[in-house]
Amino acid sequence: EVQLVESGGDLVQPGGSLRLSCSASGFTFSSYDMHWVRQAPGKGLEYVSTISYNEFSTYFADSVKGRFTISRDNSKNTVYLQMSSLRVEDTAIYYCVKRWGYSSGWFDYWGQGTLVTVSS
Amino acid sequence: DIVMTQSPDSLAVSLGERATINCKSSQSVLHSSNNKSCLAWYQQKPGQSPKLLIYWASTRESGVPDRFSGSGSGTDFTLTISSLQAEDVAVYYCHQYYTTPFTFGPGTKLGIK
Repeated sequence: EVQLVESGGDLVQPGGSLRLSCSASGFTFSSYDMHWVRQAPGKGLEYVSTISYNEFSTYFADSVKGRFTISRDNSKNTVYLQMSSLRVEDTAIYYCVKRWGYSSGWFDYWGQGTLVTVSS
Repeated sequence: DIVMTQSPDSLAVSLGERATINCKSSQSVLHSSNNKSCLAWYQQKPGQSPKLLIYWASTRESGVPDRFSGSGSGTDFTLTISSLQAEDVAVYYCHQYYTTPFTFGPGTKLGIK
């Protein structure tokens, strides 16, 4: 059974930093690109970032480019989202997501999410 | 970026009746290799993560009741619930996975009339 478990969400002040983690199980983690999608309170879904299976390529939404980085440790089946220069508008539930194909297809599995609150 | 729009924003349907949600993409999401549209539908209930319902615009995910169906191609898509059940109350999102940045529709909130 595929499982994605996020952690690291917290209350942080504007301008601060936070690192989210996503621990994966139930599939060959090292073969799949991994993704983060977020959802602000009461709002819709927003794609945030992707890291390729081999870490060779990353992608970021314009809204987080230059402030967020993504990395992974295939030996630990874990993907990370390092967030810096956080803004109030980054407040959201952050979901770790897997696509159906190694680097293609729809999002077939979602974690339960971890809440990041940016507030003074 | 491909912009996804949905209509209506919210919808109230009587139990047992049909619910129809529309989704439109700002450009075609038709995959040239298999002539299928890179369009998925998700259901999100309060306090839960999104759940995949439909992919390739019309293929139902395993375990999804057959009252859910998807149709459309290119830029115009529809999610239909043929006979609304109480457990279908949720927000429904369309999503294009044709190209990055992956984008979602704003959601349609479905309730009971």
